[in-house]
Amino acid sequence: EDKVVQSPLSLVVHEGDTVTLNCSYEVTNFRSLLWYKQEKKAPTFLFMLTSSGIEKKSGRLSSILDKKELFSILNITATQTGDSAIYLCAARFGNEKLTFGTGTRLTIIP
Amino acid sequence: EAGVAQSPRYKIIEKRQSVAFWCNPISGHATLYWYQQILGQGPKLLIQFQNNGVVDDSQLPKDRFSAERLKGVDSTLKIQPAKLEDSAVYLCASSRGGADTQYFGPGTRLTVL
Repeated sequence: EDKVVQSPLSLVVHEGDTVTLNCSYEVTNFRSLLWYKQEKKAPTFLFMLTSSGIEKKSGRLSSILDKKELFSILNITATQTGDSAIYLCAARFGNEKLTFGTGTRLTIIP
Repeated sequence: EAGVAQSPRYKIIEKRQSVAFWCNPISGHATLYWYQQILGQGPKLLIQFQNNGVVDDSQLPKDRFSAERLKGVDSTLKIQPAKLEDSAVYLCASSRGGADTQYFGPGTRLTVL
């Protein structure tokens, strides 16, 4: 069964810190990996990664995929209170279905 | 561009009652998804439509859940009868195609008492 595991489950840091969120997957015909930010209810899209070793960057957020070791990381530098959210990782497999991890709950303390 | 619309935003019902949720996807998006997100878990796909046809409903509890997308645009998800374990947020998402980025609506929080 396709599986996505995120760690840590929760993380509390101070404003200005840098955080790294992890996502590993067990693959059956892997296609791509996506990161979403979930505040309140609706997940909002952050990144889609398909190629290994190529970093995607958006402001203070960046992400990279390692298809050999089957994991991805999401980095957030100079964290702000607005970064507090649940970060979801999802892997797309051969049938195009997204399988989500349980998420990492990030809390930024002012 | 307008996002995915869902209604209602909140619903509280008693067990064994029926409930329906509505979703309007982003204009031009052929693929529509319904997810169930139980507290503390990631979203779980219930059903995927491509236009008005079902692509994947392998995780839909068909004895009580049903969904339709008759004209290939709006969709409704129904639960009849509801159980306590159906308490969750029901998210609708849409994409241009099955391999494209999915955009989520605000969700409906269902509480079954």
